[in-house]
Amino acid sequence: NAGVMQNPRHLVRRRGQEARLRCSPMKGHSHVYWYRQLPEEGLKFMVYLQKENIIDESGMPKERFSAEFPKEGPSILRIQQVVRGDSAAYFCASSPSDRTPRNQPQHFGDGTRLSIL
Amino acid sequence: AQKITQTQPGMFVQEKEAVTLDCTYDTSDQSYGLFWYKQPSSGEMIFLIYQGSYDEQNATEGRYSLNFQKARKSANLVISASQLGDSAMYFCAMRDYTVAGTALIFGKGTTLSVSS
Repeated sequence: NAGVMQNPRHLVRRRGQEARLRCSPMKGHSHVYWYRQLPEEGLKFMVYLQKENIIDESGMPKERFSAEFPKEGPSILRIQQVVRGDSAAYFCASSPSDRTPRNQPQHFGDGTRLSIL
Repeated sequence: AQKITQTQPGMFVQEKEAVTLDCTYDTSDQSYGLFWYKQPSSGEMIFLIYQGSYDEQNATEGRYSLNFQKARKSANLVISASQLGDSAMYFCAMRDYTVAGTALIFGKGTTLSVSS
C-alpha cells in the first residue's frame, strides 16, 4: 500500500496518560500535515512538518501537544496528560514538497480515533 | 481570514436523483484551490474533485461536478444519479496558494443520505 499509513486506527487512553499517534507518509513525500476532527466537525489544521523541522504549528495547542518528523521513521503526534476533550479523530496527510502543484489534493491516511476514558 | 461555509447540515435524496451540496468561501487571495472530500461512516477521507481559482471551466469527475461561481464565491458539488453508496459526509475545503505548503481549510460538512 503506497498511501499514507496511520497507526493505530483506534487508541483508548485514560485521563492523564500519553497518546502517541504515528503517520508514515507516502513514498517519496517529505512533508506531513496533521489535522484534528472533533465530532460533527470538519478537519482542523494542527501542524505542518518536513523532515526534522516544524514549519507551522499555529493550529496546535501550546500545552501537552507536540509533533516531530525525524529523519528516519514516521511522524509522531504526541499528546501528554490526555483529557476528555482530546477525544477526536486525528488525520495525517503528506505531500512531496512545499511547492505542491495547484491541483494536487492532499491524500489522507485513514486516521486514528482517540478515545479518552 | 479564510473561511469555508457549508450551510446544509443534512441533505436527503432518492436514488438516481441529482443533488447539490452548497459551499461558499471567503478569501481575499486571487490564487486558491477548492476541493471536495467524502467521508463515509468508516471514517476515511476520500478526495473527489478539485477546482482552481483560475480555471475557466467547471471541474467534472464522473458523476461529480463542481458548480464554480467565482463572483459569488461559491463552489457547489453536484452529484448526478445518486447511489446508495453516496451516503456519507461531504466536506468542502480550500487551499491558499500564495503561501507555500499551506494546509487545507475545511467546512463543517454536509451529511448526505441516499434512500432507495
